[in-house]
Amino acid sequence: EPEVTQTPSHQVTQMGQEVILRCVPISNHLYFYWYRQILGQKVEFLVSFYNNEISEKSEIFDDQFSVERPDGSNFTLKIRSTKLEDSAMYFCASSEGLANEQFFGPGTRLTVL
Amino acid sequence: RKEVEQDPGPFNVPEGATVAFNCTYSNSASQSFFWYRQDCRKEPKLLMSVYSSGNEDGRFTAQLNRASQYISLLIRDSKLSDSATYLCVVHYTGNQFYFGTGTSLTVIP
Repeated sequence: EPEVTQTPSHQVTQMGQEVILRCVPISNHLYFYWYRQILGQKVEFLVSFYNNEISEKSEIFDDQFSVERPDGSNFTLKIRSTKLEDSAMYFCASSEGLANEQFFGPGTRLTVL
Repeated sequence: RKEVEQDPGPFNVPEGATVAFNCTYSNSASQSFFWYRQDCRKEPKLLMSVYSSGNEDGRFTAQLNRASQYISLLIRDSKLSDSATYLCVVHYTGNQFYFGTGTSLTVIP
């Protein structure tokens, strides 16, 4: 069964450093998403991506964040100059069509020290 | 105003019980609704989509009430393996999804 994969599973970084979180969506899916979940809190939408451009982004997704689909399979989230409050689980998801069911990757736990 | 609201629980029920969760949403233009389950420190996993006519998948039944802007999930004959957090997810205009805070369920032997 096809699945979304994410690497690394855990990333530890120093405050102010840049991190890149990687995702491989399901191959025939066209819509890609990033979410974050701070420990003990709800899942929060960050950004959606379609046809090689951002289609929606939340207030959380400020200039510190960027997304890219550098090739036909990877979908990345870059966080520049990480802050302590960026510590969270980051989930990638993909869906076949607009407003369809999304399938989530196992997440990357980001710890900013 | 919260886009999606759920009773956080926790719900503690004995095996075999029937339990129901509700979720309300604020945007009347929302078109797609889903229930996901999330186990501790894991990713959300799709449980079922919610259709206007209501839908059933085994022991699980989902209902949508557009007039009152809420969706519900009914779990019959609860199993120990049903213990998880159940997330209500609503699609908003464009391509943005909102998650509820989740309802915690523990099924007790």
